[in-house]
Amino acid sequence: AQSVSQHNHHVILSEAASLELGCNYSYGGTVNLFWYVQYPGQHLQLLLKYFSGDPLVKGIKGFEAEFIKSKFSFNLRKPSVQWSDTAEYFCAVNKEYGNKLVFGAGTILRVKS
Amino acid sequence: DTGVSQDPRHKITKRGQNVTFRCDPISEHNRLYWYRQTLGQGPEFLTYFQNEAQLEKSRLLSDRFSAERPKGSFSTLEIQRTEQGDSAMYLCASSPFRGGGQETQYFGPGTRLLVL
Repeated sequence: AQSVSQHNHHVILSEAASLELGCNYSYGGTVNLFWYVQYPGQHLQLLLKYFSGDPLVKGIKGFEAEFIKSKFSFNLRKPSVQWSDTAEYFCAVNKEYGNKLVFGAGTILRVKS
Repeated sequence: DTGVSQDPRHKITKRGQNVTFRCDPISEHNRLYWYRQTLGQGPEFLTYFQNEAQLEKSRLLSDRFSAERPKGSFSTLEIQRTEQGDSAMYLCASSPFRGGGQETQYFGPGTRLLVL
């Protein structure tokens, strides 16, 4: 069965620090990849997605992610975090022709002002 | 676009009671999904519909769980004879159908269930 691993469950950063959140998945075939974010008190929102093409994808609010097929990874990055980026971040995978998202356990990011 | 809505937002019930949750998807979306999320975990897939047809169910969905989408619009998720282990956040999502697994799912706010 597919699984998704997010390496850090809690990350604390100061404002302006750079962010990288790891995500690895365990499916060997073609995949569709997503990062979702859940701000405090809000519902899950799509941050960015990758289906095909350029493995470096850009999302909202200055986030980007890089798909490295050989490493089964889809890491999320942001060069300079803001206090408003405090949230929980979920990586999710849907295999090609699949019908459901498989989520990682999430990473809680706290940005100190 | 009013987004995906769920009702109720919170439900407290006693063990053994039945509960029903409702999800209203984004109006033009023909796919609707249910997920369950427990503390410290990501959402786990339960089931999905394409229009009114329920096309896949997870093994997580025991016989006490049933979901319907009678007219291909809103959906209900019923849990019969609730158990304390059913306490979780129940999330609904919807998407248009694109094929190839490239559906972007839009999530509702969830229904938080507490079984006492």
